[in-house]
Amino acid sequence: QQPVQSPQAVILREGEDAVINCSSSKALYSVHWYRQKHGEAPVFLMILLKGGEQKGHDKISASFNEKKQQSSLYLTASQLSYSGTYFCGTRVPSSNDYKLSFGAGTTVTVRA
Amino acid sequence: DAMVIQNPRYQVTQFGKPVTLSCSQTLNHNVMYWYQQKSSQAPKLLFHYYDKDFNNEADTPDNFQSRRPNTSFCFLDIRSPGLGDAAMYLCATSITGAANEKLFFGSGTQLSVL
Repeated sequence: QQPVQSPQAVILREGEDAVINCSSSKALYSVHWYRQKHGEAPVFLMILLKGGEQKGHDKISASFNEKKQQSSLYLTASQLSYSGTYFCGTRVPSSNDYKLSFGAGTTVTVRA
Repeated sequence: DAMVIQNPRYQVTQFGKPVTLSCSQTLNHNVMYWYQQKSSQAPKLLFHYYDKDFNNEADTPDNFQSRRPNTSFCFLDIRSPGLGDAAMYLCATSITGAANEKLFFGSGTQLSVL
């Protein structure tokens, strides 16, 4: 049930772009993206609910292809503050609700 | 400010000595989650409460227990901690656990086992 993320790690220079992919073998009800800095709790970035939906947060955006059961996170013109580990999460049905399972994460390092 | 609070921020225990981690929330959310996160790994769901209904993950060891005495509080009990239980433990909440809801995380408790 855990989504699969790729790549595992990426190193960027400031201003460069990157794409992080998240895919699932099961139907996706929603895709969540979080960023976590070392030693801190994950911070919510965005949720995508519908196939074809795209969202943006500053210069970080994401898309959701429901048919392909995958989502991509786009880091555009990266800044030093974008460094961290990015997790995608997928909601899967539980008894009464939809529990959230995380992918293994993608570590992004942005260098000056 | 309404939030999710975890205490303590750092916890050191001895091998085999029971330990309890606590989480409280002022959000009045229905659902509370406990995740275990080991170094450089994804948060792994241990169990969650939908109101008073307890949902255990199939691969959560029996060594881990949880209590939710009321809406605001949730506890994680590790009955006999092993060295492999050293990790960050994250508490999170969700309004109703619907697919379109984000999780609100506490700042976590870093557990060390000596």
